[in-house]
Amino acid sequence: DAGVIQSPRHEVTEMGQEVTLRCKPISGHNSLFWYRQTMMRGLELLIYFNNNVPIDDSGMPEDRFSAKMPNASFSTLKIQPSEPRDSAVYFCASSFNAGGFTDTQYFGPGTRLTVL
Amino acid sequence: DQQVKQNSPSLSVQEGRISILNCDYTNSMFDYFLWYKKYPAEGPTFLISISSIKDKNEDGRFTVFLNKSAKHLSLHIVPSQPGDSAVYFCAASARGGSNYKLTFGKGTLLTVNP
Repeated sequence: DAGVIQSPRHEVTEMGQEVTLRCKPISGHNSLFWYRQTMMRGLELLIYFNNNVPIDDSGMPEDRFSAKMPNASFSTLKIQPSEPRDSAVYFCASSFNAGGFTDTQYFGPGTRLTVL
Repeated sequence: DQQVKQNSPSLSVQEGRISILNCDYTNSMFDYFLWYKKYPAEGPTFLISISSIKDKNEDGRFTVFLNKSAKHLSLHIVPSQPGDSAVYFCAASARGGSNYKLTFGKGTLLTVNP
């Protein structure tokens, strides 16, 4: 298996621009997570999908952030408009949830976002 | 409010010696704990886990110890190898509640010197 795939690996944009990060989870996994890693806050969960449905978006920092999962093999995280404080590494992770217990989360390589 | 704390940002050990990475937690609802390893420019990879019904779990060179009364866990690597040099994250979840949600510590950078 190719593992969790994220694109782009690096993104540099200017303040005010729209940014879209993409994720393809591991085939057969039904849970998907978006995380953000910063020096100050470490790894923090932004949003969790189960069976393509957003279950918990309490970690999404503000309305500028939105996430979608149109099907089991694709998810996007969008920031509009982007701000310099959004600069971070964004990770996508997937796992299999059966009977209410989520198995090990497998992470993608991350997208390093720089907003100038 | 940091519910999972890794108080040592970095640790340096000699090849062949033991590495001990520590983690403390404050939420008594946590009942499942994991360690992830992260190399530069890669995502975290799962290393080992332990349920609160156990106090030790071993996998090859890696052993995790859990002290529930102290709300403390540790990862032992014996013997340490240069390839173990990475950032190690401790994570915890409350499987009886929001079982999907992992709360991570900020990580400890382990450097194993040849």
